[in-house]
Amino acid sequence: DTEVTQTPKHLVMGMTNKKSLKCEQHMGHRAMYWYKQKAKKPPELMFVYSYEKLSINESVPSRFSPECPNSSLLNLHLHALQPEDSALYLCASSQGRGGGPQYEQYFGPGTRLTVT
Amino acid sequence: AQSVTQLDSQVPVFEEAPVELRCNYSSSVSVYLFWYVQYPNQGLQLLLKYLSGSTLVESINGFEAEFNKSQTSFHLRKPSVHISDTAEYFCAVSASQKLVFGQGTRLTINP
Repeated sequence: DTEVTQTPKHLVMGMTNKKSLKCEQHMGHRAMYWYKQKAKKPPELMFVYSYEKLSINESVPSRFSPECPNSSLLNLHLHALQPEDSALYLCASSQGRGGGPQYEQYFGPGTRLTVT
Repeated sequence: AQSVTQLDSQVPVFEEAPVELRCNYSSSVSVYLFWYVQYPNQGLQLLLKYLSGSTLVESINGFEAEFNKSQTSFHLRKPSVHISDTAEYFCAVSASQKLVFGQGTRLTINP
């Protein structure tokens, strides 16, 4: 099983809502990632978890709150978002000790988020 | 610091024609290079990777890329494209826990 799953596929939320994005993998990978991708742009790294601990936060605003409940699950909690946060949010995972540079990342299909 | 430059934002080609998507990188450490493909409304899929060894790497669907250290390039080629190859292609260099992506090249295939 080389699949990373993400739910929901689409999400529309108001600026005062609280919602969560979910990501799951069963490949035994110990590194998991959140990316944000705007239209016609490459993915931008947001967070990296290594062995369920946050190892990289790319100066992401606090209205985005990641959580890694266990080695297979990754959540992204959303609160008080802005319209410019509308984007495709991608989850990825990789093997090795916290995702070494030689290991490819496996991406999920993404959640398309629209903030109104 | 690592960086990636994809020289063409769009490449239109006719079906069954050859194609080359260009990628140049800069890195001060050991280089691990990747090509990812993103089909419309989907996530990214690994196309091929260079870690070490043979400088020519191939994918299962006919693409190949050649690592050229002297020219710091990792261009992607396919001798004959199909309509189904229409997608966005991202070159990336791996640095520690991060993937550094190029800006992407949109490959469009005309019948």
